[in-house]
Amino acid sequence: DAEITQSPRHKITETGRQVTLACHQTWNHNNMFWYRQDLGHGLRLIHYSYGVQDTNKGEVSDGYSVSRSNTEDLPLTLESAASSQTSVYFCASSDPGPTGEQYFGPGTRLTVT
Amino acid sequence: DQQVKQNSPSLSVQEGRISILNCDYTNSMFDYFLWYKKYPAEGPTFLISISSIKDKNEDGRFTVFLNKSAKHLSLHIVPSQPGDSAVYFCAASGDNAGNMLTFGGGTRLMVKP
Repeated sequence: DAEITQSPRHKITETGRQVTLACHQTWNHNNMFWYRQDLGHGLRLIHYSYGVQDTNKGEVSDGYSVSRSNTEDLPLTLESAASSQTSVYFCASSDPGPTGEQYFGPGTRLTVT
Repeated sequence: DQQVKQNSPSLSVQEGRISILNCDYTNSMFDYFLWYKKYPAEGPTFLISISSIKDKNEDGRFTVFLNKSAKHLSLHIVPSQPGDSAVYFCAASGDNAGNMLTFGGGTRLMVKP
């Protein structure tokens, strides 16, 4: 069965460290997205990609970067982790189409101390 | 400025009764609306959607109503079951290809046995 996975599921890091969160999907979807979920804010878009070598900034992209070298993976990098980046991060993927339905991974809980 | 708002952070309902979750939006260019359900420690999962050319869509116990003039949609769950207890997110798309979703802040539904 096709799926979308994220690793690690939990991560604790120190302020100033570089951190990379992995996202891998086997749906063969062109579109991939990274969100963060914080209380009171719902899901906020960090970065997204509509295909290999394509990346775009979302609503809350400062301090984050992504790269898309193949269809399956969209790793999210925190260049220099800050306490404000403590959050739950979700990766999602979709195919282009009118409904916009996205399939989500299980999430990564990141704590920056 | 939030384009999609869920003004009730939580809702408590008795088992067997109707649950009504509400969502308001401001962008008249949105043309597709989706509801996602999220259990703790899991990613959101798609529940039901509605096109802007319709005013109602039904799937089993779940019905979504859209009032375009009021820029308001609602999700009805009848009858509510304890397993429906989760966070529900309203989302909207409007970038023609339906690739981008804008999420509301979520409503936590608790169904009491």
